[in-house]
Amino acid sequence: SQQGEEDPQALSIQEGENATMNCSYKTSINNLQWYRQNSGRGLVHLILIRSNEREKHSGRLRVTLDTSKKSSSLLITASRAADTASYFCATDEDNFNKFYFGSGTKLNVKP
Amino acid sequence: EAGVAQSPRYKIIEKRQSVAFWCNPISGHATLYWYQQILGQGPKLLIQFQNNGVVDDSQLPKDRFSAERLKGVDSTLKIQPAKLEDSAVYLCASNDRNSEKLFFGSGTQLSVL
Repeated sequence: SQQGEEDPQALSIQEGENATMNCSYKTSINNLQWYRQNSGRGLVHLILIRSNEREKHSGRLRVTLDTSKKSSSLLITASRAADTASYFCATDEDNFNKFYFGSGTKLNVKP
Repeated sequence: EAGVAQSPRYKIIEKRQSVAFWCNPISGHATLYWYQQILGQGPKLLIQFQNNGVVDDSQLPKDRFSAERLKGVDSTLKIQPAKLEDSAVYLCASNDRNSEKLFFGSGTQLSVL
């Protein structure tokens, strides 16, 4: 079954604006990851945050994790048209490298 | 390094026909996954292999789906007979335990008419 649920389902912004998407999950996790999927393509790993971390940065990406609320957020700063894609969170619940994906947020960045 | 290879890229079949998908993971990756992604949804794990053994196939509809990874390298996923609701993108992914992240192929888009 799917573990994470993203919010919002869809987001449309102008180039240069920031985009924030959220992920909620149900059980304890080892880590949480964010992936991007361009239309008609496979998923590409963006960033991983471990259960004992609260915030992580990678370029224009900032991820936060609140294990007490079982939620995570992905912030993309200074968005570009090339950021247009669907974004998914994935949780690793146990030590068997089993990943459950949420339903995704579809981001549209208008030039 | 070469990525995860999948074929075919697209497949159109009629219901009750059979179909097979092939995946070649990144060299050295012991774990291989098959995911089903229905339009507008996130990927759903169907089966996970560790080398040539099955780790989890709890969400694989075993009455019609089968998968194998005989030599611990490439893998095939088969559907027989196909139903309309099997229309989806079938994604293969692999990973190396040391990296923790998944590497995905481009997927096979299946349309069942």
